[in-house]
Amino acid sequence: DAKTTQPTSMDCAEGRAANLPCNHSTISGNEYVYWYRQIHSQGPQYIIHGLKNNETNEMASLIITEDRKSSTLILPHATLRDTAVYYCIVRVDVKTSYDKVIFGPGTSLSVIP
Amino acid sequence: NAGVMQNPRHLVRRRGQEARLRCSPMKGHSHVYWYRQLPEEGLKFMVYLQKENIIDESGMPKERFSAEFPKEGPSILRIQQVVRGDSAAYFCASGWGNEQFFGPGTRLTVL
Repeated sequence: DAKTTQPTSMDCAEGRAANLPCNHSTISGNEYVYWYRQIHSQGPQYIIHGLKNNETNEMASLIITEDRKSSTLILPHATLRDTAVYYCIVRVDVKTSYDKVIFGPGTSLSVIP
Repeated sequence: NAGVMQNPRHLVRRRGQEARLRCSPMKGHSHVYWYRQLPEEGLKFMVYLQKENIIDESGMPKERFSAEFPKEGPSILRIQQVVRGDSAAYFCASGWGNEQFFGPGTRLTVL
């Protein structure tokens, strides 16, 4: 899997949008960008993934640059419960197969009241 | 996280004892992954199993660690002769393809 770099930590005011950046300059053409998060003392939770188009679901939006070398996860209205470590991962789409997830250190997001 | 069960949630062992961690995947899933998270570190893949088969154990320590997923019953991660460095959170995930659902983890403390 291609390597990603993320800021170690970020703060966000409650109710504001949280924008979490990720660099993946060596991403391959068949690799997707995935985001997971881990709330303290819990197991990781899948958030969203995408290839090159922007994606949105009930949890977040994913914006991928045209050259695919970076992306941003957007939590539109952050709440205190969004305080967690957010992991950006690139991996081949495994819709019809299986693959382990390789986690980096992630970004520790603190949502502040 | 709903559906993947792990027990116990907390396990305390003395050095030299054995630790057995159990994981029941989500209903209908026959694939299980084990990950380890050392204190203040990220999650590291350990092993991937199907029913009665170990598919990928590239992340397993060479000694003292073993895993199984029998035809009936939960997957078991077994650590023999535990040492203080084994203290960590151990997460199990089940799923297929993009969707890996993680359990709540077992926190192992070795005294």
